[in-house]
Amino acid sequence: QKEVEQNSGPLSVPEGAIASLNCTYSDRGSQSFFWYRQYSGKSPELIMFIYSNGDKEDGRFTAQLNKASQYVSLLIRDSQPSDSATYLCAFARSGYALNFGKGTSLLVTP
Amino acid sequence: DTAVSQTPKYLVTQMGNDKSIKCEQNLGHDTMYWYKQDSKKFLKIMFSYNNKELIINETVPNRFSPKSPDKAHLNLHINSLELGDSAVYFCASSQGGGELRAFFGQGTRLTVV
Repeated sequence: QKEVEQNSGPLSVPEGAIASLNCTYSDRGSQSFFWYRQYSGKSPELIMFIYSNGDKEDGRFTAQLNKASQYVSLLIRDSQPSDSATYLCAFARSGYALNFGKGTSLLVTP
Repeated sequence: DTAVSQTPKYLVTQMGNDKSIKCEQNLGHDTMYWYKQDSKKFLKIMFSYNNKELIINETVPNRFSPKSPDKAHLNLHINSLELGDSAVYFCASSQGGGELRAFFGQGTRLTVV
């Protein structure tokens, strides 16, 4: 089983701050990386994907990938209480499915 | 218009029973999946189908049998249910052809008593 490691948290940040979520993976052959957000009792929702080294920005979200260090991160700028959720990191395995980490719980406090 | 829909949303049943969960996607995707999320929220791949063909069977007990009558549907039948089968089961789909952005159904919470 190819592994994805995430700090389970909870990560607590004040409203308006930058939340930084990190993920490491063991499969050097991985090419595609994804961040999902999951609210309690709901299904995972894709918020970012990144395929190349470097940064990718979409609104308040920035995904960062460093394949040499096998590290992917998600930055959330201007964090809002509505961002409070579990964030799941995933990478593509074998071209046919995603392997997920156990998720980091984020709490944004007003 | 729901993209990936699964039924039922909740399922409570006794040990030893057989049950099915249905999944349909209207996204025109070629690949469909079943994931299991346990009580610790770990989301694990069970099966992957591409154009009705089984691609991944992730060491799931053979009490679990997926069936894909066409590429828009992937159902999951579970025989002889056990307490440890209690979890949330998610159906998902992706475009296929190496495109793995997966879109999830709302989940089925299975409780075995």
